[in-house]
Amino acid sequence: DGGITQSPKYLFRKEGQNVTLSCEQNLNHDAMYWYRQDPGQGLRLIYYSQIVNDFQKGDIAEGYSVSREKKESFPLTVTSAQKNPTAFYLCASSLGTGAYYEQYFGPGTRLTVT
Amino acid sequence: QQQVKQSPQSLIVQKGGISIINCAYENTAFDYFPWYQQFPGKGPALLIAIRPDVSEKKEGRFTISFNKSAKQFSLHIMDSQPGDSATYFCAGDISSGSARQLTFGSGTQLTVLP
Repeated sequence: DGGITQSPKYLFRKEGQNVTLSCEQNLNHDAMYWYRQDPGQGLRLIYYSQIVNDFQKGDIAEGYSVSREKKESFPLTVTSAQKNPTAFYLCASSLGTGAYYEQYFGPGTRLTVT
Repeated sequence: QQQVKQSPQSLIVQKGGISIINCAYENTAFDYFPWYQQFPGKGPALLIAIRPDVSEKKEGRFTISFNKSAKQFSLHIMDSQPGDSATYFCAGDISSGSARQLTFGSGTQLTVLP
């Protein structure tokens, strides 16, 4: 089955610890995205990547970091600098970014930091 | 200003009724307007999308109405079913350099009563 895998589904961390969320896609998509979703709010873009070894900050990149060493993988690290990290994190991918392409979303990771 | 405003925040409809969700945007550079459907604990999935040069698009029970002069668009769900109960997000898509970015509305939680 083609799709996007995010793991784990639930993640718990203590305040002050960095944590890395996994995102893998086998859709052969060039572009990948990370969004954050908070209750009662829409999705907000954290980072996106158009190609391997390249990524751009989104609207709320502070306190987050990413890497794109492989086309299939786009991990997100939530650092201790992120002031309010508890949220639902969604990874997405699309065929490209030059024109409108549908973004396909993974099932998400719910991160709780206490 | 890239904001997309969505209303209502929540909506309760009887089975067989019409559900209507409205969105307004400010940035006239948006060139595609998708609607996403999200079930609890899942990632959003594209439901239907429209270009701004089209006034209406229909797919099955789902219709987008688009008013370019008013910078408003809406989703109509005809013959609403309990299985339609989900959160719906409108979005505006824009070209940002060589990339594209989605800006989401805050979401509408739809409940269809049996």
